[in-house]
Amino acid sequence: DTAVSQTPKYLVTQMGNDKSIKCEQNLGHDTMYWYKQDSKKFLKIMFSYNNKELIINETVPNRFSPKSPDKAHLNLHINSLELGDSAVYFCASSHWDRRAEAFFGQGTRLTVV
Amino acid sequence: GENVEQHPSTLSVQEGDSAVIKCTYSDSASNYFPWYKQELGKRPQLIIDIRSNVGEKKDQRIAVTLNKTAKHFSLHITETQPEDSAVYFCAARKRSGGKLIFGQGTELSVKP
Repeated sequence: DTAVSQTPKYLVTQMGNDKSIKCEQNLGHDTMYWYKQDSKKFLKIMFSYNNKELIINETVPNRFSPKSPDKAHLNLHINSLELGDSAVYFCASSHWDRRAEAFFGQGTRLTVV
Repeated sequence: GENVEQHPSTLSVQEGDSAVIKCTYSDSASNYFPWYKQELGKRPQLIIDIRSNVGEKKDQRIAVTLNKTAKHFSLHITETQPEDSAVYFCAARKRSGGKLIFGQGTELSVKP
């Protein structure tokens, strides 16, 4: 009974390609996030959606476009992939309340070759 | 801006010893401070958290302390075991926003 699930788990692709990562949560949360974890393990927020509305957009290249079709889903589409995009991407969800725990998906390891 | 500093970046202890990881945050509006454990190849998972109206919280071998005046909070693990080996992240969240700002992580190694 996975709470936050994202697919695929591994993604290897060539430079210049376009790819998508999907995320779904069944926790009834109203807020979802995308985090990027680089080779140094640093977790950096990219986007946050609350009730399907974009509320946080950190300094992320325009090639990254999140889409939230409903509260339970937040997908990440990446255009024109670059070598520097290689990282582990984590989806997470929580309630909007400031004190709510965030639950993470299992991560998608993206490798751009 | 919002920033969370975490130290040390690596920590090696003998089994049975205690481990302490420290974090400082910059935004005084932060009100929620969780700690996550990430094992190799796995997702970050919450191990303990503390709210701003509490100075200390304990859960078995794990404890967190918060000093709001100094904007410091710390994770204490007692009687460490090899399975405690992982990367630990502190984080902070503002009262008016939903995002967690993470520290840089501490790689804890517990030697048997």
